[in-house]
Amino acid sequence: AQSVTQPDIHITVSEGASLELRCNYSYGATPYLFWYVQSPGQGLQLLLKYFSGDTLVQGIKGFEAEFKRSQSSFNLRKPSVHWSDAAEYFCAVVGSNDYKLSFGAGTTVTVRA
Amino acid sequence: NAGVTQTPKFQVLKTGQSMTLQCAQDMNHNSMYWYRQDPGMGLRLIYYSASEGTTDKGEVPNGYNVSRLNKREFSLRLESAAPSQTSVYFCASSERGGPNYGYTFGSGTRLTVV
Repeated sequence: AQSVTQPDIHITVSEGASLELRCNYSYGATPYLFWYVQSPGQGLQLLLKYFSGDTLVQGIKGFEAEFKRSQSSFNLRKPSVHWSDAAEYFCAVVGSNDYKLSFGAGTTVTVRA
Repeated sequence: NAGVTQTPKFQVLKTGQSMTLQCAQDMNHNSMYWYRQDPGMGLRLIYYSASEGTTDKGEVPNGYNVSRLNKREFSLRLESAAPSQTSVYFCASSERGGPNYGYTFGSGTRLTVV
């Protein structure tokens, strides 16, 4: 069965500092990976996705993620965090012919001035 | 704006009451999904509908029923609400299953069962 682990429940970062959110997945075949962001009281917005090809994926809002098959990881990064990046971030995985998008438990990011 | 619309946005139920959460999408998507979100557990799939006329159980289907009313609408019913069903419920849709098609989420329904 596929699964996603986000080891960090909560991260606090200063505005302007870099951010890295960790995601580890377990999946028997080729995984298709996503990062979503959820602002307070809002639905989920897709930041980026990895299907194949270049292992460094660029997304919206200045985010990028790197797929590392050897480490079963898909970590999300941003070089310089803005106060508006305070939100909850979810990593998710789905198979090539699967309907079931499986989510990690999420990482809450707090941005301090 | 095009997308996934969920109603209601908030609801308080007493234990044992029933209710139906409504979801509609206007993107002509084939597949629709119901997730619940609980603190520390991410989103878990309750039921999904791969296409009009089909529904299947997800990870946590107990206590819920669904109806794919037509291509646009996918409702989630709680027949006898329990406090354990207090959660935020999200509906989503995709053109079809699989990763090549983006998932669009609604803004959620916050349900409290007392």
